[in-house]
Amino acid sequence: TQTVSQSDAHVTVFEGDSVELRCNYSYGGSIYLSWYIQHHGRGLQFLLKYYSGNPVVQGVNGFEAEFSKSDSSFHLRKASVHWSDSAVYFCAASASGGNYKPTFGKGTSLVVHP
Amino acid sequence: ETAVFQTPNYHVTQVGNEVSFNCKQTLGHDTMYWYKQDSKKLLKIMFSYNNKQLIVNETVPRRFSPQSSDKAHLNLRIKSVEPEDSAVYLCASSWGVNTGQLYFGEGSKLTVL
Repeated sequence: TQTVSQSDAHVTVFEGDSVELRCNYSYGGSIYLSWYIQHHGRGLQFLLKYYSGNPVVQGVNGFEAEFSKSDSSFHLRKASVHWSDSAVYFCAASASGGNYKPTFGKGTSLVVHP
Repeated sequence: ETAVFQTPNYHVTQVGNEVSFNCKQTLGHDTMYWYKQDSKKLLKIMFSYNNKQLIVNETVPRRFSPQSSDKAHLNLRIKSVEPEDSAVYLCASSWGVNTGQLYFGEGSKLTVL
C-alpha cells in the first residue's frame, strides 16, 4: 500500500514570492503522483500528475512539480504566487498495480499575503 | 467547469436519521469514488466503483452503503447517522482505475446534531 507524506501543514508567503510544497511517498512499484488544490468550501481540482518520462511536469496556473526517485519526492513549485493561490494543496498517489485506492496526504495550507 | 454534480450541498439532521447523497458525472468516466473529508481536511476513501462494480469497500460502519445505478451515478446512503458522521463527503470520477487524475464534485457537507 502506498503512503503519502506532506511535512508542512502550513506555509505563508507574500505575493510574488516563490513557493515549494513538499511531498514524499512510499511505494515499491510503479506509481502515479498527483497534486490537487482545494479552495475553501470547494472540491478538489487536479493540478498535474507524473507517471514516467521527464521528471519535471507542468500544470495549470504556472505550477510545476519535480519527481525524484532517489528522494521519493514529488514537490510542487510556483515561481511567483498570487493571493488567489491561497488554498489547501494535496499530494496524492495511485499505485498502478491495482489496489484502486488513490491515497492523499494530509494537505498543506498555503496562505499568500497581498 | 463542474462536471461532477453532488446534491445536496448541505444537510443538517439529527442522530438516528437516514440521509442520502447523490452524485452524477457527465464526463463519460467509468470509475467513481466516495471520499470522506473530516474537519482537519483529512481525506479517506470509502468506496469505489468501476463499470458499476464495487472495487473498493473500505472499513466503514455498516450504516454506510453505496448505490450505483449506472456508470454516471453513485449515491451514498447513511442509514442511521451518528455525530462522528459529520464531515464533507466528496464524490469523484476518473477514466479507468489508477490513472492519477480524479475529478471531484463540490462536496456534500453533513452536520449531525
